[in-house]
Amino acid sequence: AQSVTQPDIHITVSEGASLELRCNYSYGATPYLFWYVQSPGQGLQLLLKYFSGDTLVQGIKGFEAEFKRSQSSFNLRKPSVHWSDAAEYFCAVKTGMKTSYDKVIFGPGTSLSVIP
Amino acid sequence: EAGVAQSPRYKIIEKRQSVAFWCNPISGHATLYWYQQILGQGPKLLIQFQNNGVVDDSQLPKDRFSAERLKGVDSTLKIQPAKLEDSAVYLCASSFGYSPLHFGNGTRLTVT
Repeated sequence: AQSVTQPDIHITVSEGASLELRCNYSYGATPYLFWYVQSPGQGLQLLLKYFSGDTLVQGIKGFEAEFKRSQSSFNLRKPSVHWSDAAEYFCAVKTGMKTSYDKVIFGPGTSLSVIP
Repeated sequence: EAGVAQSPRYKIIEKRQSVAFWCNPISGHATLYWYQQILGQGPKLLIQFQNNGVVDDSQLPKDRFSAERLKGVDSTLKIQPAKLEDSAVYLCASSFGYSPLHFGNGTRLTVT
């Protein structure tokens, strides 16, 4: 069955430091991959997505992610974290090519704290 | 474009009572999803509609949860009777074709 794991439940970084959030997926075919961010009391906002092509994708707010098929990973990175980046981050995989029937499965999330 | 609208934002009920949530997706989005997000966890898909037909409801507790999407636009999710473990945020999302999901702000349900 398809699944998404995020090994880090919680990460704390200093403002200005670099960030990498890990994501691993289990899916037989080429996946569609997403990173979402959730601030307290809010819904999920899309940061970036990977469908095909260049394995390094750029997103909003200075985030990027790299798809590595050999490692079944889609890690999220940011070179310099801002205090406003403190939030919950979710990796997700969209299964299947038939858009009418594909599911979007979310990982458990990584909570990011930023120290001023 | 207007986003996904959900109401109410908050709801507090006692166990065994009933509750309903409403969602209005982005105009033109054929696919509508209801997710349950328990505190500290990722969203879990409850039900997925394609227009007004159910595509997947395998994780919907059908003895107490029901959902409908009449006319393929708005949707309601109902819980009857509620249990303590139903306390969660209920997120509605919509999409079109290969587009990513667009989420509403959710309804936070507390069952006491």
